Parts: sequence; C-alpha cells; structure tokens
Amino acid sequence: DAKTTQPPSMDCAEGRAANLPCNHSTISGNEYVYWYRQIHSQGPQYIIHGLKNNETNEMASLIITEDRKSSTLILPHATLRDTAVYYCIAPRASGGGADGLTFGKGTHLIIQP
Amino acid sequence: DAGVTQSPTHLIKTRGQHVTLRCSPISGHKSVSWYQQVLGQGPQFIFQYYEKEERGRGNFPDRFSARQFPNYSSELNVNALLLGDSALYLCASSLAGVGLYGYTFGSGTRLTVV
Repeated sequence: DAKTTQPPSMDCAEGRAANLPCNHSTISGNEYVYWYRQIHSQGPQYIIHGLKNNETNEMASLIITEDRKSSTLILPHATLRDTAVYYCIAPRASGGGADGLTFGKGTHLIIQP
Repeated sequence: DAGVTQSPTHLIKTRGQHVTLRCSPISGHKSVSWYQQVLGQGPQFIFQYYEKEERGRGNFPDRFSARQFPNYSSELNVNALLLGDSALYLCASSLAGVGLYGYTFGSGTRLTVV
C-alpha cells in the first residue's frame, strides 16, 4: 500500500465542517484512496473512496488534489456522533486486495459541543 | 439484511490454549478477511479468503490459521495463545476478492488472554 500520513488528532465544533487531511505522496496512478472510520469499540466503517475526481456521498465528500499526492475528507455538518478515528488508506492496486488494508493510526476526530 | 456477524463477542482464554473465532459475511459476499487490532493501534491484516481459498496472508505466525466454508462463513484459529494475542479480532466481508467496493466490518470479538 502507498504510505499515508495523517495528523494524530483534530477538534471540530459541532455543526461545522470537519476537514481531515491525508498525504499519500507515493500513491500510484491506479491506486484508489479509501476512507474508513472507527467509532469506539466498533468495527471500521467504510465512508468513501476515489481515484482522481472529487467524490460525494451521503456521509462525506472527498477532495483529491490534481497531483493525487494528498486528499481531504470533508464531513459537512459534524455531529457528536462523528467523533471517531478516521483512517486514510491507499491499497496496492495490483495486489487484487490480497494484501489487505493497511490502517495506520489514523486521525482521532473529536467533535466539541 | 444482517451485516457481518461475529461470535463470540467476548472471550477469555488462558495462555497456551486454543481459540476459534467465527464470522458470517453479508449474504452474497464471497470474500472474508480477518484483522487483529490491539489497543491504541489500527487494525492489522491477518488473512483474506475468497471462494474458500486463501488469497492473502499478513505478517502473523503459523499459530494463526483460518478457513472458509462452502457457505462463505469463516473461522479464525489461534493456537498456543500468548498474552500478546489479546486484541479485538475483526472480520470483514466484500463482494469480490479485490474488495475495491469497500469492506464491511463486523463489530469484532474481544479476546483476552490471561
């Protein structure tokens, strides 16, 4: 997997947009960027993934820079339930998924009331 | 539709014992992966199975083994348990082996080795 770098923790006020950065400067041209989150004592939850274009779903938006060396996950209106550890992952494309996902330590996002 | 189910939810074992953890994937999913998560760390990949065959293995000793059954459910076995095996064991399923459509994780089995 491409190495990803995330800040260890971030705070965000409830109702504001939470912007979580991720650096993946060694990513290959055909490797996707995935975001998962893990709420305390639960399994990781898939949020969104993308290759080149910006993506949006009901949970979040993903902005990928043109050179693909970094991305930002945006939670548009953060709630207390969004407090979790957020993982940015870039799995090796040629592995066919057989390498599994490399999670790293992620960003602990704390939503403040 | 039921999500990924894992059993048991909690387990306490003694050093040297053997443990079997079970996972039922989402209906229609043919790929199951296992992860170990120790406190304070992200999940670490152990195995991936697709269509009942091992397709990938992480950096874990031979004490760890797994298998996938014809109904695509899976078991993770750990022999000669060590204190360091205490962790949350997570199972994830996906439609196909490549998992590019996103994995769905279960809530895990919390294993404590004493």
